[in-house]
Amino acid sequence: EAGVAQSPRYKIIEKRQSVAFWCNPISGHATLYWYQQILGQGPKLLIQFQNNGVVDDSQLPKDRFSAERLKGVDSTLKIQPAKLEDSAVYLCASSLGSGLPEQFFGPGTRLTVL
Amino acid sequence: LAKTTQPISMDSYEGQEVNITCSHNNIATNDYITWYQQFPSQGPRFIIQGYKTKVTNEVASLFIPADRKSSTLSLPRVSLSDTAVYYCLVGDRGNQGGKLIFGQGTELSVKP
Repeated sequence: EAGVAQSPRYKIIEKRQSVAFWCNPISGHATLYWYQQILGQGPKLLIQFQNNGVVDDSQLPKDRFSAERLKGVDSTLKIQPAKLEDSAVYLCASSLGSGLPEQFFGPGTRLTVL
Repeated sequence: LAKTTQPISMDSYEGQEVNITCSHNNIATNDYITWYQQFPSQGPRFIIQGYKTKVTNEVASLFIPADRKSSTLSLPRVSLSDTAVYYCLVGDRGNQGGKLIFGQGTELSVKP
């Protein structure tokens, strides 16, 4: 079974530039999550989708971050404009949903903002 | 969601049993206890989940006392490849996939 795919794996940009990350969840998984993991900390949930609807985006900095999952499958997370403190690993995860506990994580995208 | 407290780091040697204890004094009736493992440059990976008493799978055991205010992840006979960060999470599965709140985790270092 193919896992969660993310691209790119690494990205270096300058502050005030924009960047986008892509995630393709495991086939059939209704729930998709984006996390931000700053070095030395645990992952922090940014946004959770159930199919193509947003379930929770309470910790998403909406002035600069946006995410979409148009057809209920793959998803894109965008940052515009980026700040130095956005340097982190951005993890995508998916689960079957409906209360199932196990989330499957992708390898992440490491973003460096200079 | 209940807050969890676990040691920041632990050291062990190959072949030993490792027990990582997590405190969650404010756990709610509907909350489950879940442990994830994260290797460097990888996303977290589900290890085990339980509600009460003991749960065992091919990787680990999870011990939960009757009051459920703490839990212990037990890794039998660790190897160098078990060096990783281990996260204890407590939360309601929810109706739409559940929500995970990660703490800082326990960095386990296994030495030869």
